Amino acid sequence: DAKTTQPNSMESNEEEPVHLPCNHSTISGTDYIHWYRQLPSQGPEYVIHGLTSNVNNRMASLAIAEDRKSSTLILHRATLRDAAVYYCILRDPREGGNQFYFGTGTSLTVIP
Amino acid sequence: DAGITQSPRHKVTETGTPVTLRCHQTENHRYMYWYRQDPGHGLRLIHYSYGVKDTDKGEVSDGYSVSRSKTEDFLLTLESATSSQTSVYFCAISDFEGKLFFGSGTQLSVL
Repeated sequence: DAKTTQPNSMESNEEEPVHLPCNHSTISGTDYIHWYRQLPSQGPEYVIHGLTSNVNNRMASLAIAEDRKSSTLILHRATLRDAAVYYCILRDPREGGNQFYFGTGTSLTVIP
Repeated sequence: DAGITQSPRHKVTETGTPVTLRCHQTENHRYMYWYRQDPGHGLRLIHYSYGVKDTDKGEVSDGYSVSRSKTEDFLLTLESATSSQTSVYFCAISDFEGKLFFGSGTQLSVL
């Protein structure tokens, strides 16, 4: 299974953009890149996902490198409510490949 | 929450006793998952199901069994609980786009 590598922790000032990196050098051509976040004392929640092209939604943007070996989750203006653990995972949607493996993620601290 | 209910929310039990955690969904999704979360280890997949009576092991399945007799229910059983199984357990479902939705979790303490 393709794995991902993320920094253990990052800090950001409130109202500034945040770029959360993820390396996935062994990604296969059919792996989707998913991002989830987990607020304190809650279950993880879906943030965004993509395959090759950059993606935007109301929560964040996902920038995917041209070779797909890395990606970056972009929070355009960090708020205190964005303080969470962010997980980057790969998912292969082919039949029998619907396992989702999480690592330890990146703990984001937002400084007021 | 995307129609996922975990029960119980909290449980304290003794070593050697059987424990069953229940996950119930109202979304009629095919895939369901059980994870455990421990400090320093993040979320680890225990078992998952891809349909009624169809289940498979995840990365930390030893000491756990699962059953899925109905689409809406996915049960996780610890046949003989050990202190190393003290953890927070999360159930999740996967929709047709492959997005995961998690329950609120069950805090299990094995004394």
